[in-house]
Amino acid sequence: QLVLTQSPSASASLGASVKLTCTLTSGHSYYAIAWHQQQPEKGPRLLMKFNSDGSHYKGDGIPDRFSASSSGAERYLTISSLQSEDEADYYCQTWGTGIQVFGGGTKLTVL
Amino acid sequence: DVQLLESGGGLVQPGGSLRLSCAASGFTFSNYAMSWVRQAPGKGLEWVSTISGSGGSTYYADSVKGRFTISGDSSKNTLYLQMNSLRVEDTAVYYCAKSEGRAARWGIDYWGQGTLVTVAS
Repeated sequence: QLVLTQSPSASASLGASVKLTCTLTSGHSYYAIAWHQQQPEKGPRLLMKFNSDGSHYKGDGIPDRFSASSSGAERYLTISSLQSEDEADYYCQTWGTGIQVFGGGTKLTVL
Repeated sequence: DVQLLESGGGLVQPGGSLRLSCAASGFTFSNYAMSWVRQAPGKGLEWVSTISGSGGSTYYADSVKGRFTISGDSSKNTLYLQMNSLRVEDTAVYYCAKSEGRAARWGIDYWGQGTLVTVAS
């Protein structure tokens, strides 16, 4: 069964960097994923899609402060030079034929 | 620019029905699979249903299978979700989402702003 696991919360200081993790279930480590950001009281938006070969593309208007990487079954979203508007929920997502799977989300607090 | 605008949400009693609509613009509707994703109050995102760009393939989460029906009208660039036999646990904001490709095997690249469905007596 395809499952994505995320830590429920993370925090970092204004101007610092933070690395969020999304873990794919065993046997699915080659799957592409996407990272979505949901700011308070807003709909989600695509941050970036990240393929297992390391290629990726960003959503509309996403700044270079957001980057992605991977190691085995783990996928990472790094946000550098944290700003107050980065305080949001971050969801990883993957997909198969006829199914979309979301991680439980990580709530990021900017201190 | 891609725009997705949901409508049709509201308050409905348990056992009732509701039809959600999503007006799409900025892309050729029939060239992309479309999905509904919901978010219960204070909870995370939950996939509900996906339809291929051709409309020939539809998929449902187990939690809504047999009760919800997804459809699309390419002449109106509109996605629908017919929801029957609604339950209290269907209460959520429902988002319309566009996929990257025509087949139902691509990720999501655009989201609507959502419409709230409340199931309560």
